[in-house]
Amino acid sequence: AQSVTQLDSHVSVSEGTPVLLRCNYSSSYSPSLFWYVQHPNKGLQLLLKYTSAATLVKGINGFEAEFKKSETSFHLTKPSAHMSDAAEYFCVVSDRSGGYQKVTFGTGTKLQVIP
Amino acid sequence: NAGVTQTPKFQVLKTGQSMTLQCAQDMNHNSMYWYRQDPGMGLRLIYYSASEGTTDKGEVPNGYNVSRLNKREFSLRLESAAPSQTSVYFCASSQTSGKFFGPGTRLTVL
Repeated sequence: AQSVTQLDSHVSVSEGTPVLLRCNYSSSYSPSLFWYVQHPNKGLQLLLKYTSAATLVKGINGFEAEFKKSETSFHLTKPSAHMSDAAEYFCVVSDRSGGYQKVTFGTGTKLQVIP
Repeated sequence: NAGVTQTPKFQVLKTGQSMTLQCAQDMNHNSMYWYRQDPGMGLRLIYYSASEGTTDKGEVPNGYNVSRLNKREFSLRLESAAPSQTSVYFCASSQTSGKFFGPGTRLTVL
């Protein structure tokens, strides 16, 4: 079975402090994992992806995520939050169950950055 | 290279009216998707198309139909709109590396 759980619906951080957005997944196959960001009234943008290469993945805008198979987690981090990071973030799992690429989106985490 | 484009950006319908949301991609991707996004629900898959000429139901297909007109275009049709279909609709395309999303269509059904 494939599923993804974003553990926090809202996260609030002060500008300049670290960001941690948590994601746990389940997959019966070797999954690919993604983080997308959506700014208000904008479309979805791919931040980073894991596809069975290096477990620490670096994305755009200083974000990175670490794939931990033993913990079935793919948490998104950034050392220092910027005001422009305020947005909604979606964790996504994808695998080829049944011979077709199946994709599940998490319910999203809204990141608030306080000046 | 425009990526994924969607039209219209905004639409207001009355209950019972029909309309078609258009989506096109110029990246030569085989797979295309239609999602709806509702608060607290994340993105839910309505229909997808693995390749030209094939379409399959996703998680929430009721009340919708799709057409994969050619490799570039994948349209979503509401035959008789209902207020429950008020949502933001995203089209996406993909190969093996992640998805590319369109800007979305904000639909309100009164």
